[in-house]
Amino acid sequence: DQQVKQNSPSLSVQEGRISILNCDYTNSMFDYFLWYKKYPAEGPTFLISISSIKDKNEDGRFTVFLNKSAKHLSLHIVPSQPGDSAVYFCAARDNNAGNMLTFGGGTRLMVKP
Amino acid sequence: DTEVTQTPKHLVMGMTNKKSLKCEQHMGHRAMYWYKQKAKKPPELMFVYSYEKLSINESVPSRFSPECPNSSLLNLHLHALQPEDSALYLCASSRGQGGWETQYFGPGTRLLVL
Repeated sequence: DQQVKQNSPSLSVQEGRISILNCDYTNSMFDYFLWYKKYPAEGPTFLISISSIKDKNEDGRFTVFLNKSAKHLSLHIVPSQPGDSAVYFCAARDNNAGNMLTFGGGTRLMVKP
Repeated sequence: DTEVTQTPKHLVMGMTNKKSLKCEQHMGHRAMYWYKQKAKKPPELMFVYSYEKLSINESVPSRFSPECPNSSLLNLHLHALQPEDSALYLCASSRGQGGWETQYFGPGTRLLVL
């Protein structure tokens, strides 16, 4: 049973436009959410995070939105750049379970020039 | 500096071999993790060390043996692996195991078991 789901395995966006990556979770105990970006043959790179006490966190071109009632979060990248092309993983954590991350299946983003 | 290093980058081993994967961080992090990632799948947690003590073992077979010799180093000893153990093995670290701590990942070791 997947507790964190990224229902879109891939997303294609034109350079300069907005990329929106979505993530849904089922465990209401999750209290901290992270987005990681992964290039082929590399480890995941931390992008941005949000705690459950917030509904938005922004860092440059990256903004994460959290809707707790819907158990949904999204990552917005604007403007999208070809270098953003990678696999994006959403991860969630239950503070009561230590720092164990539960990852979604990933979304492959392709930004076309 | 948020660098976690892993060696080797690639490893090919036979089912009777013994090998070790190494992970190192100098960020003063006291929690370190091993993950396994198969192609087109998310990372799966294997082990967690907190203050050099094993705190979580996610029912990993005994052919994988972790070791944390000090707060900067984490090893994964491999023995009698199976071809299905071929995967990308990722190490991560965080300041602590509790709280809202971010895990930082190394580049991984790509393992092929023949």
